[in-house]
Amino acid sequence: KQEVTQIPAALSVPEGENLVLNCSFTDSAIYNLQWFRQDPGKGLTSLLLIQSSQREQTSGRLNASLDKSSGRSTLYIAASQPGDSATYLCAVQRGAGSYQLTFGKGTKLSVIP
Amino acid sequence: DAGVIQSPRHEVTEMGQEVTLRCKPISGHNSLFWYRQTMMRGLELLIYFNNNVPIDDSGMPEDRFSAKMPNASFSTLKIQPSEPRDSAVYFCASSGGQNQPQHFGDGTRLSIL
Repeated sequence: KQEVTQIPAALSVPEGENLVLNCSFTDSAIYNLQWFRQDPGKGLTSLLLIQSSQREQTSGRLNASLDKSSGRSTLYIAASQPGDSATYLCAVQRGAGSYQLTFGKGTKLSVIP
Repeated sequence: DAGVIQSPRHEVTEMGQEVTLRCKPISGHNSLFWYRQTMMRGLELLIYFNNNVPIDDSGMPEDRFSAKMPNASFSTLKIQPSEPRDSAVYFCASSGGQNQPQHFGDGTRLSIL
């Protein structure tokens, strides 16, 4: 059974700092990996999707990497801003033919002005 | 363009009552997902539909839970009878394809007293 772990559960950084969020998964046979952001009282917003054949994806100040063989992904946030404060979740899609996502429990990020 | 729309946003009801949660996916999306989020267990997939057909309902906790998708623009998740342990935030999401990100609604916060 696939398990997704995100460490740390919470992170507090000063504004302007670059930071890395970590995600690990136990079964490397994945179809893709997705990073989401969740604001309090809201649903999840998709940030980046990395297909299993890709190594990284970039969107603005966000860069996500994927190392399938080691079962790891990182989300890099450059020049953090208070508006980046949210919970970040990663999820892996099981395989071709299955749409099921297995989620980590998230890292709660606080960016202090 | 409207995102995934869920109703109601909040529901408080007494144990034993029937609860019906509603979802309107993004137009053109052919996959719909129901999730439950709790502090203890995180985000769990309950059931998903592809082209209005239930594909995987292995996450549905008990026979008290049922889901329907009568057409491409509407789905319901029903709990009958409800129990206090069903209290959680229930999310609906939709996707336009297997390698496309899932788009989430803002959720229904359900409290069973």
